[in-house]
Amino acid sequence: QQQVKQSPQSLIVQKGGIPIINCAYENTAFDYFPWYQQFPGKGPALLIAIRPDVSEKKEGRFTISFNKSAKQFSLHIMDSQPGDSATYFCAATPSGTYKYIFGTGTRLKVLA
Amino acid sequence: ETGVTQSPTHLIKTRGQQVTLRCSSQSGHNTVSWYQQALGQGPQFIFQYYREEENGRGNFPPRFSGLQFPNYSSELNVNALELDDSALYLCASTRPGQNTEAFFGQGTRLTVV
Repeated sequence: QQQVKQSPQSLIVQKGGIPIINCAYENTAFDYFPWYQQFPGKGPALLIAIRPDVSEKKEGRFTISFNKSAKQFSLHIMDSQPGDSATYFCAATPSGTYKYIFGTGTRLKVLA
Repeated sequence: ETGVTQSPTHLIKTRGQQVTLRCSSQSGHNTVSWYQQALGQGPQFIFQYYREEENGRGNFPPRFSGLQFPNYSSELNVNALELDDSALYLCASTRPGQNTEAFFGQGTRLTVV
């Protein structure tokens, strides 16, 4: 069964800290790995995404690190702010399909 | 450019009833996917529609069905509602030729009592 495992389940950091959220997958046929941010009562919004031929991608304060051999990828949030408090989901797309397989989510709280 | 819009935002139904949820895709997007998000969980893929036909389905029973219309809007129908169907139902659309970047609506919160 295709799965994406996400950790930790919840995370609390001080303002300015660098929370790190990790995801691991088993199926090597995934070819697209997005991260989504979701606020209460809202739909998920795309933050940043990476393909397996790239080891790192930065967009503003958000960085994805990708380790193809370990089948792991992670999200780093630089200089975190209270407004970053939300639930973050990693996802993966199996090759040849258009569906997302989501992780179970990480609830992040950034203290002021 | 308008975003993905879903209606209604909230809905309460009784077990055994049927429900229809609606989604208007983002302008220029021809592919629509539906997801079920239980409380505290990640979204689960239900199915996807492209050019008015189902184009992939997740592990959901046949009582979950859908439609896509010529204007690319879509409906999700659920028959014989069960208590476990209570969830946030999300619609996502993608652009032609760029099938991987999905834009989500705000969802419909369905409560089955």
